[in-house]
Amino acid sequence: SQQGEEDPQALSIQEGENATMNCSYKTSINNLQWYRQNSGRGLVHLILIRSNEREKHSGRLRVTLDTSKKSSSLLITASRAADTASYFCATDETGGFKTIFGAGTRLFVKA
Amino acid sequence: EAGVAQSPRYKIIEKRQSVAFWCNPISGHATLYWYQQILGQGPKLLIQFQNNGVVDDSQLPKDRFSAERLKGVDSTLKIQPAKLEDSAVYLCASSLGRGQGGYTFGSGTRLTVV
Repeated sequence: SQQGEEDPQALSIQEGENATMNCSYKTSINNLQWYRQNSGRGLVHLILIRSNEREKHSGRLRVTLDTSKKSSSLLITASRAADTASYFCATDETGGFKTIFGAGTRLFVKA
Repeated sequence: EAGVAQSPRYKIIEKRQSVAFWCNPISGHATLYWYQQILGQGPKLLIQFQNNGVVDDSQLPKDRFSAERLKGVDSTLKIQPAKLEDSAVYLCASSLGRGQGGYTFGSGTRLTVV
């Protein structure tokens, strides 16, 4: 079964707007990662946030982690058409060996 | 730094045939993963290697799937015999080790079983 569940499943916005995607998970984790996947391509690692961190920034990306609610959010500011892709969260479970991916959010940014 | 190389890029086979995928991870990456991604879903881990040893293969359908990582570098994933439901993208990824940052993925092999 998949650990992370992204919300919404799909999101369509205008260029320049902000996009927010959420991820919920079920068990205790060591870290949470966000990946981007363009159509027909492999996944690209965007950012990793550890369980003792609450917020992390990378360029136009901002990730938050709330371990009490077992949830994370990915904010993309000032979106561009090139941000159109699927975004996945992935979790490393505490004491486990697996990184488990959610089903993803499909983001479409209209120019 | 060269990325994770996978081949072939596409493969179409008939059910009950066999197929093999190849992966060359980033040099120095001890951990290698094979994921299966069915259209519209997230990647599902099939098998994880640490150097040339298997760490986790709990979701690998062992009656038809096999994988090996010779000398702790390249890896091959084989399906024999293939079923229609095996149609998916097979992704290889590597990392320095668990908890040491994100994975680097290859572009994947898109398998269609007809």
